[in-house]
Amino acid sequence: QQPVQSPQAVILREGEDAVINCSSSKALYSVHWYRQKHGEAPVFLMILLKGGEQKGHEKISASFNVKKQQSSLYLTASQLSYSGTYFCGTAYMDTGRRALTFGSGTRLQVQP
Amino acid sequence: DTAVSQTPKYLVTQMGNDKSIKCEQNLGHDTMYWYKQDSKKFLKIMFSYNNKELIINETVPNRFSPKSPDKAHLNLHINSLELGDSAVYFCASSRYNEQFFGPGTRLTVL
Repeated sequence: QQPVQSPQAVILREGEDAVINCSSSKALYSVHWYRQKHGEAPVFLMILLKGGEQKGHEKISASFNVKKQQSSLYLTASQLSYSGTYFCGTAYMDTGRRALTFGSGTRLQVQP
Repeated sequence: DTAVSQTPKYLVTQMGNDKSIKCEQNLGHDTMYWYKQDSKKFLKIMFSYNNKELIINETVPNRFSPKSPDKAHLNLHINSLELGDSAVYFCASSRYNEQFFGPGTRLTVL
């Protein structure tokens, strides 16, 4: 079952903040976040393994709420380089840690 | 010093042909994957191998056959190509959790 990402797309000005959400209908083992720029491969940003865990990567951080089966990605003071499509990948408790099911992606565009 | 490499980068072929995509990783990872990304950017797992053993085989037509000669290689062979097979195919590898993706192979079936 594919996780649901929202919003589908967002346009920001440099310096603005954004939140991307990822929701699952199944119990989660972990949540991965990737960014893919046009014509390139997805690049790993971070993984969240424990409930309530928050990870940071430069000005990009994420949280994981196990009870709600949700994760959110926070982009602070966005830069032009943040533009791309963000995917959450979820691993489920019943299928083990290796199998990732990706959401449909959130296209982020940062404008000057 | 490329981590995950794929060949070819582009593949244009006629319907009905058979083609292969090769993937190699030099990271010492024990698990490798094939993903398909369609025109709507939906990224879907196809196969996963752990130490040369198939561990994930999603609902994929049996025209697709992965082969892992060793831990560092996972090739994808596709028989009787169809128009709907046109997509970008990504190979990835992991040791624990983080997956490293190859540059992708853009397959176009005419």
